[in-house]
Amino acid sequence: GAVVSQHPSWVICKSGTSVKIECRSLDFQATTMFWYRQFPKQSLMLMATSNEGSKATYEQGVEKDKFLINHASLTLSTLTVTSAHPEDSSFYICSASDSNYGYTFGSGTRLTVV
Amino acid sequence: AQSVTQPDIHITVSEGASLELRCNYSYGATPYLFWYVQSPGQGLQLLLKYFSGDTLVQGIKGFEAEFKRSQSSFNLRKPSVHWSDAAEYFCAVDRLRGYALNFGKGTSLLVTP
Repeated sequence: GAVVSQHPSWVICKSGTSVKIECRSLDFQATTMFWYRQFPKQSLMLMATSNEGSKATYEQGVEKDKFLINHASLTLSTLTVTSAHPEDSSFYICSASDSNYGYTFGSGTRLTVV
Repeated sequence: AQSVTQPDIHITVSEGASLELRCNYSYGATPYLFWYVQSPGQGLQLLLKYFSGDTLVQGIKGFEAEFKRSQSSFNLRKPSVHWSDAAEYFCAVDRLRGYALNFGKGTSLLVTP
């Protein structure tokens, strides 16, 4: 079945530094990938839609200069949290639409900014 | 606007008992509907999905869901719950065919011995 690999699974960084999260579709090509953010005990909130070869589409209220998304190939999308602050600490999850029209999710990245 | 409502934040059932998790949607057209399960600190695993056709959908791990257009519902059921089913369950609807999903707030399932 469709597999989406997300790395790292957890990361701790200092305030002010940048962190990159990778999302790869391992056995299918993903023209579109999605990035979600999940706060503890809450649902997933869409941050942005990542399209291969074009600029990402950000949801209202998401700072595109803080959350940089690059989708350079059909199997890789990256999310870079720039100048991270403690309020950026969260669980970030990517997903991709596979050929069976299902949405496959990565295992998530726990970001802690100290 | 499209929305998904999961009325129950927490549900506790005894192991071996039946389970039904509720999901209601607000959508202008026939939606694509999904149920996902999430264990703590993990990503989401697809349990089942409904696109069209038979309104009773079978999924993995013994789960099933029934689409009822008249009630705008897509409730998830399992006849006999196992302790390993304890997790967070999310109902979701696609925004617009191939776009991102709108998620409900989730239902936390606790299974007691």
